[in-house]
Amino acid sequence: AQSVTQPDIHITVSEGASLELRCNYSYGATPYLFWYVQSPGQGLQLLLKYFSGDTLVQGIKGFEAEFKRSQSSFNLRKPSVHWSDAAEYFCAVGPTSGGGADGLTFGKGTHLIIQP
Amino acid sequence: NAGVTQTPKFRVLKTGQSMTLLCAQDMNHEYMYWYRQDPGMGLRLIHYSVGEGTTAKGEVPDGYNVSRLKKQNFLLGLESAAPSQTSVYFCASSPTNGRAFFGQGTRLTVV
Repeated sequence: AQSVTQPDIHITVSEGASLELRCNYSYGATPYLFWYVQSPGQGLQLLLKYFSGDTLVQGIKGFEAEFKRSQSSFNLRKPSVHWSDAAEYFCAVGPTSGGGADGLTFGKGTHLIIQP
Repeated sequence: NAGVTQTPKFRVLKTGQSMTLLCAQDMNHEYMYWYRQDPGMGLRLIHYSVGEGTTAKGEVPDGYNVSRLKKQNFLLGLESAAPSQTSVYFCASSPTNGRAFFGQGTRLTVV
């Protein structure tokens, strides 16, 4: 069965500093990979997704992620964080066959705290 | 441009009561899902549907039932609510390329 591991439950970063959130997945084939962000009391917003092709994908709000097949990783990065980036971040994996038919498997999330 | 709409947004139930959560999407998506979100657990799939009239069990289906009588609607039912079902429930829909669009969530408390 597929699984997603986000090793860091909480991360604290100073405003203006760079950010990397880790995500490792276990899947039998090449999956679809996603990063979602959730602000307090809100739903999930898609930051970026990887389906195929270029392993470095650009997303909204200045985020990017790199798919590394050899490491089964899909880490999220941002060169300079803003206070508004404080939120919960979820990595998710989905099947390539049949698109999203079986739903996404989510990691447990990383809570990002921004220090002034 | 509504996207995915969930009703209600908040609800408090007494143990043993029943209720139905409604999810509506206006994007003509084939697939729809119900997830629950609990602290430290991420989102877990309850049930999903790959088309009108079809449903399937996800990771945590016990205590829930679903129906998809119309393509745009996906209902989640709790026949006899339990405190363990206190959670935030998210509905999502997706086309066949795997990207899911989420609703704003329903916060359910069972006392």
